[in-house]
Amino acid sequence: QSALTQPPSVSGSPGQSVTISCTGTSSDVGRYNRVSWYQQPPGTAPKLMIYEVSNRPSGVPDRFSGSKSGNTASLTISGLQAEDEADYYCSSYRTSSTSLYVFGNGTKVTVL
Amino acid sequence: EVQLVQSGAEVKKPGESLKISCQGSGYTFTTYWIGWVRQMPGKGLEWMGIMYPGDSDTRYSPSFQGQVTISADTSTSTAYLQWSNLKASDSAIYYCARQPTGYYAMDVWGQGTTVTVSS
Repeated sequence: QSALTQPPSVSGSPGQSVTISCTGTSSDVGRYNRVSWYQQPPGTAPKLMIYEVSNRPSGVPDRFSGSKSGNTASLTISGLQAEDEADYYCSSYRTSSTSLYVFGNGTKVTVL
Repeated sequence: EVQLVQSGAEVKKPGESLKISCQGSGYTFTTYWIGWVRQMPGKGLEWMGIMYPGDSDTRYSPSFQGQVTISADTSTSTAYLQWSNLKASDSAIYYCARQPTGYYAMDVWGQGTTVTVSS
């Protein structure tokens, strides 16, 4: 299963904004508004941060926002905080000729 | 509180069988999908498959079809992931996660089970 493409790393200073891209194809990201984002601090289980491109589950700070254009989805963290340092993964539903869902290869966010 | 509690770490030899578990609580187990995700050492997340305990509808990633079996026991609200012939390359952390119907995202995750396969 080909993973969605994310940059290996992004960084920013506290208070700045960072954006992580997630590029798929017309069979997944481009076809469905079913993109989600997960945060995984070191040594912990993933946590859902965004679902259906831009919706935040209860309890997720509004500093986290999602969007999509064509085959690329994006996660923006505004007002970066030290506790935001983690790995972030996007995921998308896809047409079932291959895997039903696919994850991105992950992006390490570093707070400088 | 909604929780998924997974079984403890396992150390196995190649060729052995294994069944790990994921027990749900705080919600109606039969009305949510349960998915499984692999994370190999130092690597990213891989979607393995998903099951709806209410009717046992199960879907696998082609990468894992035939390599693992996903099942559930609704009487104990427990999902399972099992292998019949472990390989060293199965060494990884395995997560279960809940997925509401029509939600297309995993909203509650287990703590993970570490599986080590070594001779």
